[in-house]
Amino acid sequence: DIQMTQSPSTLSASVGDRVTITCRASQSINIWLAWYQQKPGKAPKFLIYDASSLESGVPSRFSGSGSGTEFTLTISSLQPDDFATYSCQQYNSYPYTFGQGTKLEIK
Amino acid sequence: QVQLVESGGGVVQPGRSLRLSCAASGFSFSNFGMHWVRQAPGKGLEWVSVTSSDGSVKYYADSVKGRFTISRDNSKNTLYLQMNSVRAEDTAVYHCARIRYSKSYPDYWGLGTLVTVSS
Repeated sequence: DIQMTQSPSTLSASVGDRVTITCRASQSINIWLAWYQQKPGKAPKFLIYDASSLESGVPSRFSGSGSGTEFTLTISSLQPDDFATYSCQQYNSYPYTFGQGTKLEIK
Repeated sequence: QVQLVESGGGVVQPGRSLRLSCAASGFSFSNFGMHWVRQAPGKGLEWVSVTSSDGSVKYYADSVKGRFTISRDNSKNTLYLQMNSVRAEDTAVYHCARIRYSKSYPDYWGLGTLVTVSS
């Protein structure tokens, strides 16, 4: 199985900050990576697919990059609504696996 | 708009069975593959199972293989997860999620239903 490792587990930041979350795969997954945002009691929200393609309706301050085994999610200027948990998922091969999540907290 | 509503969760004793349902609306259900994904308390998301649009192809996580069965009834726009021989480690919120058309990744997710395995 492909292991997905996210870092950091928790990230404290302020409104307006630029933040980056990293996701590493235990083997190459090409570009087959998605990012999700999750808030307590809500369904995960789909943000990015194919490592860098922004889902329709997602603010342009979100961006993704990477290929192979290393990927990043960047939020260019944090907004109050962005404080949430972010997870990556590989869909290169079954079983599809997720990172453990990164909780983005208000500093 | 796309809606996915899970039901059937609750408290179940170890070794017993439970069936989860996911009612879909707002899209042509029979044209889309579907996933089940779970999240244990305080833990990350864990992929559980997937089925193709017609139900002919199914995959399972090793942790549930042989115990859980995914199925669907396209005439009722409903996805199911039959959970047998449940264990304490199956305690989680179970989400159903739609696969983006002709792709592999989940795009729309339901809120989930909580399954608690406890004696």
